[in-house]
Amino acid sequence: DTAVSQTPKYLVTQMGNDKSIKCEQNLGHDTMYWYKQDSKKFLKIMFSYNNKELIINETVPNRFSPKSPDKAHLNLHINSLELGDSAVYFCASSLKSEAFFGQGTRLTVV
Amino acid sequence: AQSVTQLGSHVSVSEGALVLLRCNYSSSVPPYLFWYVQYPNQGLQLLLKYTTGATLVKGINGFEAEFKKSETSFHLTKPSAHMSDAAEYFCAVSDGDSSYKLIFGSGTRLLVRP
Repeated sequence: DTAVSQTPKYLVTQMGNDKSIKCEQNLGHDTMYWYKQDSKKFLKIMFSYNNKELIINETVPNRFSPKSPDKAHLNLHINSLELGDSAVYFCASSLKSEAFFGQGTRLTVV
Repeated sequence: AQSVTQLGSHVSVSEGALVLLRCNYSSSVPPYLFWYVQYPNQGLQLLLKYTTGATLVKGINGFEAEFKKSETSFHLTKPSAHMSDAAEYFCAVSDGDSSYKLIFGSGTRLLVRP
């Protein structure tokens, strides 16, 4: 069983489109995250949710809208995609300090 | 504010040689420290972590790290490199169990030569 799963794994889309990435965890964790990894492999947190409530929004453009329908799911919707949004997006979950990561979604905007 | 510095974006070692990946952190509170490994086209996998207690931490795949408060360091070592260790390694810091984010270093690519 995959602990943190994200779909899709690859996403290629045109500028201006709207797309969503889904994330589910079966670990029973209270906290979920979205991280962005850029082309230089740098990882930066975007959002943190705890028990479905937004805890951290790291100055992410409001074109990015996370939604947590329940503790096991944290989806990421992106409006009006731009070339600079191309990156790998990682979902993660944690109980305390230890975070478990999904396999990532490689988003390419053309 | 917390930060992590990983010295050396690339480290190359021969198979069987010692692996040393450097990590220095900055934190205003007692830090929790982590090393993650990322294989190509994969997610991040936790190698080891330091929270409290023993400063020498052992992880998976023969890796270990030592928390040195006086040096604000948390270097990762492995006595003998294997080809399968070739990957990207990330050091990360958080400010404890109630933290809702990890701050990552810029990563170090480990290359293992036959």
